[in-house]
Amino acid sequence: GAVVSQHPSWVICKSGTSVKIECRSLDFQATTMFWYRQFPKQSLMLMATSNEGSKATYEQGVEKDKFLINHASLTLSTLTVTSAHPEDSSFYICSATTSGRSGELFFGEGSRLTVL
Amino acid sequence: GENVEQHPSTLSVQEGDSAVIKCTYSDSASNYFPWYKQELGKGPQLIIDIRSNVGEKKDQRIAVTLNKTAKHFSLHITETQPEDSAVYFCAASSSPGGGADGLTFGKGTHLIIQP
Repeated sequence: GAVVSQHPSWVICKSGTSVKIECRSLDFQATTMFWYRQFPKQSLMLMATSNEGSKATYEQGVEKDKFLINHASLTLSTLTVTSAHPEDSSFYICSATTSGRSGELFFGEGSRLTVL
Repeated sequence: GENVEQHPSTLSVQEGDSAVIKCTYSDSASNYFPWYKQELGKGPQLIIDIRSNVGEKKDQRIAVTLNKTAKHFSLHITETQPEDSAVYFCAASSSPGGGADGLTFGKGTHLIIQP
């Protein structure tokens, strides 16, 4: 199957700093990438959808100025958590797909963010 | 929008027995139903999926059934093994292309295989 790589797998940062998480599709071109947030023992909460070369579409309640998403190429999307606070601590997961009838969704391994 | 309900939230079965997880969806236009397995500290992995033009799909010990009339679909795991222990998520999509855009996830089922 297709491989999606997410980096870093875990990061600890101080409150007020910014953290960037990368999501790469390694062996296919991802027309669309999704970013999710997952709290312990809960389901995936979609944060935003990004298409290559265009602005991300954010879900209701997600602050676009806080969670900056850039989808610069067909193989890379980044999520930057700006001015992170302890309440931003969570498991962030990306996924990628190629559109169309065979557009299955492939997930990255997730990134554990801890804000001190 | 779409609403996906998943039951049970926790399922414990003896090794070797079968496990069944059920999901219902609300949007009759939904046409793509994947199942994901998530191990602790990792991202979800697609294990099987089914499209609305098919009633059942099987892959070795895993099968998925779809009842479009009743708007529910189920995951069946036979001859369960310890490595099947994980959280399983169902999802539904009404994307026109039948793809993964706009997936709505269930809340997950924690499957525990007792040795």
